[in-house]
Amino acid sequence: EAGVVQSPRYKIIEKKQPVAFWCNPISGHNTLYWYLQNLGQGPELLIRYENEEAVDDSQLPKDRFSAERLKGVDSTLKIQPAELGDSAVYLCASSQAGGGATGELFFGEGSRLTVL
Amino acid sequence: GENVEQHPSTLSVQEGDSAVIKCTYSDSASNYFPWYKQELGKRPQLIIDIRSNVGEKKDQRIAVTLNKTAKHFSLHITETQPEDSAVYFCAANTGRRALTFGSGTRLQVQP
Repeated sequence: EAGVVQSPRYKIIEKKQPVAFWCNPISGHNTLYWYLQNLGQGPELLIRYENEEAVDDSQLPKDRFSAERLKGVDSTLKIQPAELGDSAVYLCASSQAGGGATGELFFGEGSRLTVL
Repeated sequence: GENVEQHPSTLSVQEGDSAVIKCTYSDSASNYFPWYKQELGKRPQLIIDIRSNVGEKKDQRIAVTLNKTAKHFSLHITETQPEDSAVYFCAANTGRRALTFGSGTRLQVQP
């Protein structure tokens, strides 16, 4: 069975440019998360989806970040415009319904963003 | 919100020795405490977890202990091997139905 798939793995852009990351969760996993991981730090939650509904986006910087999960499967995270401080790894994770808080989170390989 | 503190930030041991990583949490309502291992350039992967209704759990060379009164939990790795070298993250669940992660411990096992 395929794991969580993310693309692109690496992205280098200049500041003020837009960027988008895509995530395909494990089949049947209703809950999807986007985490931000800065160098040398643990993952920090940006947004959590239950099916197609964003049930927790309190840590998402909404002035420049947006996310969507159409049809409750794949998800896209967008940054526009990107700033130097956005350089980080963006991790997507999925779990069975609501299970991420009491069961295993399955992470993707991450998308490493470098903003110049 | 939940705050999870983890130490040490780096740990170097000789092959065959034991390694201990400690975490504290702030939310008394937390009841799930997993540990994730992240090798360089790889995704974090769950290695062991513990729930609040038990005080200790073992899986071969790995064990986790939980002290709910003191709000701390620890990861113990015995007979360390070079392939144990990685960054280890503790985490605790929150009322937001998501995990809050510690800042990580870089474990280096010297052969």
